[in-house]
Amino acid sequence: SYVLTQPPSVSVAPGHTATVSCTGSNIENKGVHWYRQKPGRAPVLVVNDDDDRSSGIPERFSGSNSGNTATLTINRVEAGDEADYYCQVWDSRTGGVVFGGGTKLTVL
Amino acid sequence: EVQLLESGGAVVQPGGSLKLSCAASGFTFSDYAMSWVRQAPGKGLEWVAGISGTGGTTYYADSVKGRFTISRDNSKNTLVLQMDSLRADDAAVYYCAKGHIVVVTGIAFDFWGQGTRVTVSS
Repeated sequence: SYVLTQPPSVSVAPGHTATVSCTGSNIENKGVHWYRQKPGRAPVLVVNDDDDRSSGIPERFSGSNSGNTATLTINRVEAGDEADYYCQVWDSRTGGVVFGGGTKLTVL
Repeated sequence: EVQLLESGGAVVQPGGSLKLSCAASGFTFSDYAMSWVRQAPGKGLEWVAGISGTGGTTYYADSVKGRFTISRDNSKNTLVLQMDSLRADDAAVYYCAKGHIVVVTGIAFDFWGQGTRVTVSS
């Protein structure tokens, strides 16, 4: 089955840039979607199809996808960005949705 | 405003059955694929099943294939997950999620319900 690998945690100081990676075999050939989930809340779509920012998401959030790695970048990080972030793709070979394990973003 | 309201979560014994429902509003239900996604306590997101806008195509995670059935009633704007032969590792919060397109392939989930909790315990 297709596997997406994310770092368990990322820490960043306020005002700095956070990058969350999502690694998968030839992931550049798939559309990658990113979600933010705060404790006790449902996930929220942040970026879909690699780099299309979802409605209501600040321009500080952007996505990219190349080779074997997709990346969510958060510029000028704020305390409110602290959350778990998940990447997700559709795997046509197995016919299913695949989520990465999630990355906990901590704002120092 | 898009709203997804799940119901049906409960405590059930191993081997038992449960039916989850999701009432959708605020969009043309039949124009979008839908899915169920679950999250075990303290764990990440796990996709469970998906269904196309027409209901004609369904997909399942290997972990639930043959035990769970996803369906939809477009006349009632309702998504259903029938869960049979429940196991301890099926315990989770189950989210109803709206797809951003009519097909499941390539789907992203642009709206989520608040979830309904399923506990499997004797």
